[in-house]
Amino acid sequence: DSGVTQTPKHLITATGQRVTLRCSPRSGDLSVYWYQQSLDQGLQFLIQYYNGEERAKGNILERFSAQQFPDLHSELNLSSLELGDSALYFCASSPGDRGFTEAFFGQGTRLTVV
Amino acid sequence: AQKVTQAQTEISVVEKEDVTLDCVYETRDTTYYLFWYKQPPSGELVFLIRRNSFDEQNEISGRYSWNFQKSTSSFNFTITASQVVDSAVYFCALSDHNRDDKIIFGKGTRLHILP
Repeated sequence: DSGVTQTPKHLITATGQRVTLRCSPRSGDLSVYWYQQSLDQGLQFLIQYYNGEERAKGNILERFSAQQFPDLHSELNLSSLELGDSALYFCASSPGDRGFTEAFFGQGTRLTVV
Repeated sequence: AQKVTQAQTEISVVEKEDVTLDCVYETRDTTYYLFWYKQPPSGELVFLIRRNSFDEQNEISGRYSWNFQKSTSSFNFTITASQVVDSAVYFCALSDHNRDDKIIFGKGTRLHILP
């Protein structure tokens, strides 16, 4: 158990819909990272938050957004869903904001868009 | 730019054989971290090892060993006496300590251990 909790584990939704994925970081970790793993793209970095503020942005679509709340949990919002958004979405957390030194991932949310 | 290359897309070996997974990385920074993760069929990402750029000592953990060579920018992973449970996708990854705080993953190597 990595200590990073993601919910839900599975999600099936229709095209055009909006979903929210949730991540609770390990106790004491201030940084949260979101990754997307699709069959053809591998593991892609989406976005990082540190103590409530956006710290780094990767290949995140404009239809996607994220935030980190005062209790440090994070949500990834995916809207106007397309079939190509079907993927495994991972959250990871680390203690600080400089370098990914402690690298533990949640179990992922498998999103299927039909 | 940062890049991680795992040239072996898929490998199959017979149980009890040794197998080495190759990883070559690119970075312009002097301080960085290298990682290996295992992704079994169940899908979760299991952290195996983290290495910082100043520590070139090889590491052994049970049947797993890692060979870090800065001179060739490689961080290879060897499984000795492989077992069927080692079947998984293995990812090598790189994190830059000074830049924008993310891990860059290689495309992964799918390892099949045949009984």
